Amino acid sequence: DSGVTQTPKHLITATGQRVTLRCSPRSGDLSVYWYQQSLDQGLQFLIQYYNGEERAKGNILERFSAQQFPDLHSELNLSSLELGDSALYFCASSVVPTGPNYGYTFGSGTRLTVV
Amino acid sequence: ILNVEQSPQSLHVQEGDSTNFTCSFPSSNFYALHWYRWETAKSPEALFVMTLNGDEKKKGRISATLNTKEGYSYLYIKGSQPEDSATYLCACLDNYGQNFVFGPGTRLSVLP
Repeated sequence: DSGVTQTPKHLITATGQRVTLRCSPRSGDLSVYWYQQSLDQGLQFLIQYYNGEERAKGNILERFSAQQFPDLHSELNLSSLELGDSALYFCASSVVPTGPNYGYTFGSGTRLTVV
Repeated sequence: ILNVEQSPQSLHVQEGDSTNFTCSFPSSNFYALHWYRWETAKSPEALFVMTLNGDEKKKGRISATLNTKEGYSYLYIKGSQPEDSATYLCACLDNYGQNFVFGPGTRLSVLP
């Protein structure tokens, strides 16, 4: 157990629907990162939060949004889902915002299947 | 946008063989490189944090080197064991970035 908790582990939903993925960072970590891994692609950075504030944004679609709450857990909201959104969504956390000397601690991921 | 490449894409070795694979990145504006080990059905785990040219890190039978001038890092596994089977990811950070960019990974299968 890495200490980063992601729920649910699996999610199957229909096109056009909206889902929320949840992440609780490792205790003491203030930064949360969301990554997407689609078939045959590497981990693609979506968005980063630090202590409740959005800090960096990657290739995140407008249909997707995220937030980090005062208790530091984060939610990734995916709406108007398309088949191509099927992927493994990872959350990671770190003590400080992205820095050279601190690796990320990853959760076990949420596998989203859009049918 | 930082481009991180890894080779080979996949690798099959026999138990006991030593092996190595490569992570390539733009040498300009390099800031840090991290290696992760990702076993199937688990989450990626940090292996090494590397920041200085010439860095060499070791953890058991696994070691890594870093050449920031030419833009590559090697990961070595000595005497591979079946439990080493995993995808090995490298992630790079440049001076401008606020997030690590991950390579596509090298999938290692160690056959008993």
